[in-house]
Amino acid sequence: AQSVTQLDSHVSVSEGTPVLLRCNYSSSYSPSLFWYVQHPNKGLQLLLKYTSAATLVKGINGFEAEFKKSETSFHLTKPSAHMSDAAEYFCVVSAGRDDKIIFGKGTRLHILP
Amino acid sequence: EPEVTQTPSHQVTQMGQEVILRCVPISNHLYFYWYRQILGQKVEFLVSFYNNEISEKSEIFDDQFSVERPDGSNFTLKIRSTKLEDSAMYFCASSLTGATNTEAFFGQGTRLTVV
Repeated sequence: AQSVTQLDSHVSVSEGTPVLLRCNYSSSYSPSLFWYVQHPNKGLQLLLKYTSAATLVKGINGFEAEFKKSETSFHLTKPSAHMSDAAEYFCVVSAGRDDKIIFGKGTRLHILP
Repeated sequence: EPEVTQTPSHQVTQMGQEVILRCVPISNHLYFYWYRQILGQKVEFLVSFYNNEISEKSEIFDDQFSVERPDGSNFTLKIRSTKLEDSAMYFCASSLTGATNTEAFFGQGTRLTVV
């Protein structure tokens, strides 16, 4: 069985400073990992995904994430936050025979002016 | 850019009533999903659908729930007799394949409020 834990329910950063959203996963199989973003009143949009190729994955809007198997982590980062980054972010794991997509609880990112 | 669309965006219904949530997946996708998110809680898997049948369902997806692809473009979720605890945001998703490395494309959600 797989699971995913997002360690922070809320993160606040100032505009122009780095963003770090943490995600740890558990999986018996080689996982695929995704980050989705949900802006208010919008659907879930894929930011980036890891599927056993390069461990450092670049996504849209300047976000990237690094798959670290030894730490079972897939943290999301961005060098410089923008006001438009304020949203809910979900770390997602998909693995194993049942192929279910399992969501983390989400992290709400607040950007301070 | 192709997208998954859901209607309505908001639905208010009385307890015990039937509701149908509608979704139009991306046209060449073959796998379809429903998820729900109760306010303040995780996004939870409900059901996946492929080749006109349910491929997997969670324990949440009991006999009160059903899904259908009535006309080759729509994908619906029906709740037969709604309960207060069915109040949630319901997300439809579709993917091209069912492989674990294929991302799902999500709609904007339908907020269901049962009163």
